Amino acid sequence: LAKTTQPISMDSYEGQEVNITCSHNNIATNDYITWYQQFPSQGPRFIIQGYKTKVTNEVASLFIPADRKSSTLSLPRVSLSDTAVYYCLVGEGNTGKLIFGQGTTLQVKP
Amino acid sequence: GAVVSQHPSRVICKSGTSVKIECRSLDFQATTMFWYRQFPKKSLMLMATSNEGSKATYEQGVEKDKFLINHASLTLSTLTVTSAHPEDSSFYICSARDSEGTTPYEQYFGPGTRLTVT
Repeated sequence: LAKTTQPISMDSYEGQEVNITCSHNNIATNDYITWYQQFPSQGPRFIIQGYKTKVTNEVASLFIPADRKSSTLSLPRVSLSDTAVYYCLVGEGNTGKLIFGQGTTLQVKP
Repeated sequence: GAVVSQHPSRVICKSGTSVKIECRSLDFQATTMFWYRQFPKKSLMLMATSNEGSKATYEQGVEKDKFLINHASLTLSTLTVTSAHPEDSSFYICSARDSEGTTPYEQYFGPGTRLTVT
């Protein structure tokens, strides 16, 4: 399974755009890239998923370069409630297994 | 969106007893469910893959006789922690894949079960 690497922590202020980059050098051809958000004592919540180029939904954008060895989650204007741990995962094509890395703890300050 | 529930949300048991945790997909069918455990301030660790109608597949280092998994229907998987000990105290989270979902490999996570063994 492809391993992911992302910053351990990030700080931001309300209203700012936050970009979290994840590297996955060993991503396989049939792997998708998925981002989850987790609040303390809750299960992870799906944010966005993509295979290549750019994907946008109502909460975030996901940028994936042509070589797919990295991806960037973009949160447009963060608020205090966006303080959470963000996980970048690469899904195993056949089994769908997701192996969680350390995640990025985002702290949004007023 | 798809909803996954877990029951109980919180359980306290005595050392040596067994505890069963249920994971249900409420509005979709899931041929595959996953069980994770999470220690405080740590990431989720995949324990096993639960397949409907067949034996679960355990990750390396996870004792299958201690963590019994049953996936008897397309909407229910159970995890039984047998002969629980204090070191089994953790946050247990399940997830389910929508068998007919349009988003590849998207997993829907349950709210988690906090197990405390005294």
